[in-house]
Amino acid sequence: AQSVSQHNHHVILSEAASLELGCNYSYGGTVNLFWYVQYPGQHLQLLLKYFSGDPLVKGIKGFEAEFIKSKFSFNLRKPSVQWSDTAEYFCAVNPPTGGFKTIFGAGTRLFVKA
Amino acid sequence: EPEVTQTPSHQVTQMGQEVILRCVPISNHLYFYWYRQILGQKVEFLVSFYNNEISEKSEIFDDQFSVERPDGSNFTLKIRSTKLEDSAMYFCASSPGQGGYTFGSGTRLTVV
Repeated sequence: AQSVSQHNHHVILSEAASLELGCNYSYGGTVNLFWYVQYPGQHLQLLLKYFSGDPLVKGIKGFEAEFIKSKFSFNLRKPSVQWSDTAEYFCAVNPPTGGFKTIFGAGTRLFVKA
Repeated sequence: EPEVTQTPSHQVTQMGQEVILRCVPISNHLYFYWYRQILGQKVEFLVSFYNNEISEKSEIFDDQFSVERPDGSNFTLKIRSTKLEDSAMYFCASSPGQGGYTFGSGTRLTVV
């Protein structure tokens, strides 16, 4: 079945550690890719997005993601996490089926220790 | 920064009752969506709405669900006869088209 997979359900890091969250999708064709973040008790917010062009995209709060078409991947990275990055991170895809329906991965819960 | 507004933030209802969840999308957006997130589970697509009609819906969006844009600013989700398994956080979102969504803060629906 076509899907969005996030490799880690829970990640625990210390402050200043580097972060990489994996995301793979199984849709063929041209897709739009997103990372959303949900801070505790808050709603989903868009972190960054990729439609075309430079496969390395930069988002808010120092996050970036790299689109690797051959691997169907869109991993999220941050060189040095802070305690305030504790949140749940969702990878999401607009599949190439027309319209702008977004399919979300299961999410990765990140906890950053101070 | 423009926001998507959802009301109420929390709704408790008895099984079998009808509920209406309300959303005010961003005014110049053209596409509207409802998603839900059952506690501890994925964010699931329910329905997308464009040009005053449903453009796509998921298997979850059965005859018990309906959406409406009654007055050009509000976008509502109605659940006709709620079930226990409808308990979830319901998120409204809007987009201008391509470009990612702006989500509302959600309505937590508890069916008892």
